[in-house]
This record gives sequence, structure tokens and C-alpha cells, in this order.
Amino acid sequence: AQSVAQPEDQVNVAEGNPLTVKCTYSVSGNPYLFWYVQYPNRGLQFLLKYITGDNLVKGSYGFEAEFNKSQTSFHLKKPSALVSDSALYFCAVRDLYNNNDMRFGAGTRLTVKP
Amino acid sequence: AAGVIQSPRHLIKEKRETATLKCYPIPRHDTVYWYQQGPGQDPQFLISFYEKMQSDKGSIPDRFSAQQFSDYHSELNMSSLELGDSALYFCASSLSSRTYEQYFGPGTRLTVT
Repeated sequence: AQSVAQPEDQVNVAEGNPLTVKCTYSVSGNPYLFWYVQYPNRGLQFLLKYITGDNLVKGSYGFEAEFNKSQTSFHLKKPSALVSDSALYFCAVRDLYNNNDMRFGAGTRLTVKP
Repeated sequence: AAGVIQSPRHLIKEKRETATLKCYPIPRHDTVYWYQQGPGQDPQFLISFYEKMQSDKGSIPDRFSAQQFSDYHSELNMSSLELGDSALYFCASSLSSRTYEQYFGPGTRLTVT
């Protein structure tokens, strides 16, 4: 079965600095990889996905993620963090052979300080 | 653009009561998924439906049941509620041809007292 690990419970960065939120995955087949953001008392919002193609995926709000097959990673990045980026970020994976079961990581709380 | 609609947004029930959560997918989306997110937890997949048929089953308790109707909306029925059922329940929808791209609703916060 597929699984996702987000090794950091919390990431703190200063506004204007680059940010990275880490994610590693495990699947038996080809992975479909996703990042979602959750603001307080709000639903999950889709940020970006990797299905096939370029390893660098660009998404909403200036976020991007790099798919690294050899390291089985899909880290979320942004060149310059904003205070408004402070939220809970979830990495998720779906297995090509188990389409309906999306597995989420435990989430990483990003805090961007002014 | 239209999004996934969930109702109610908040629900308070007592132990052993029943609850029904509703989900209205994005227009033209024919596949619906239910997730449960406990306090401080990541979302857990419960169940999914395609064309009114259950397409996949996750960690849904036997006390819960769900169905999808001809207009593609879905209802999650929860009986004999327990304190541990207090959570945020998300519905997501997708096109059957693009099941890898799920769009989530705002969630229903269920509190069991």
C-alpha cells in the first residue's frame, strides 16, 4: 500500500526567505503526488500535483514542488515566503493501481514570521 | 467557479444519536469521496462512489454508511455516534476520467457530546 511521510511537524521561516516542506512517499507503482494546504477552520485546498512529465511542478500561490524518483521525494518549495503562507500543508499520494485511496501525510505546520 | 458544497457546516450531536452529512459535488463530477480528519490528524479516506456504486472502501466504521444519488450528491449516515467520531468530515469530488484530481469541500465539523 502507498504511504507518505512528512518528517517535520513544524517549519518556521522568516518572511521573504525561501521555504521547503519535505515529503517522501512509498508506492508499489507509479505515484500520483499532491500538495494540499489547510487554513484554520477551512477545507483542504489543492496546490499542485505531479502525474507525469517535468519533475518540477508549478502550482498555486507561487508554490512549486520537485519530484525526485531516486529519492522518492516530492518537496514543496517557494522562493520567497509570505506571512499569509502560514498554514498546515499536507502531502498526498495515490497509487496507479489503487486509484481511489489517497493517502495523506501527517501534515507540516508552516509558520512565516514577519 | 463552483466548488464542492457540504452541509451542514457544523453539527452537534449527543452520543448514540445519528447524523447525516451531505455533499454536493462540482457540476459534472461523477465521483465522490469521503474523508475523516480527527483533531490534529491527517485526513483518512472513508469511502468513495462512482455512478451511485461504491467504488472503494477505506477505514469507514460499520456504524457509518453512505450512498450516492442520481444527481451525484452523496450522503454519509452515521449511527450510534461515539465521542471519537468528533472530527472534520470532508467530501471531495472528481471526474471519473481524472480521479487523481480531487477537489475538496469546506468540511462538516461534527461534535459529539
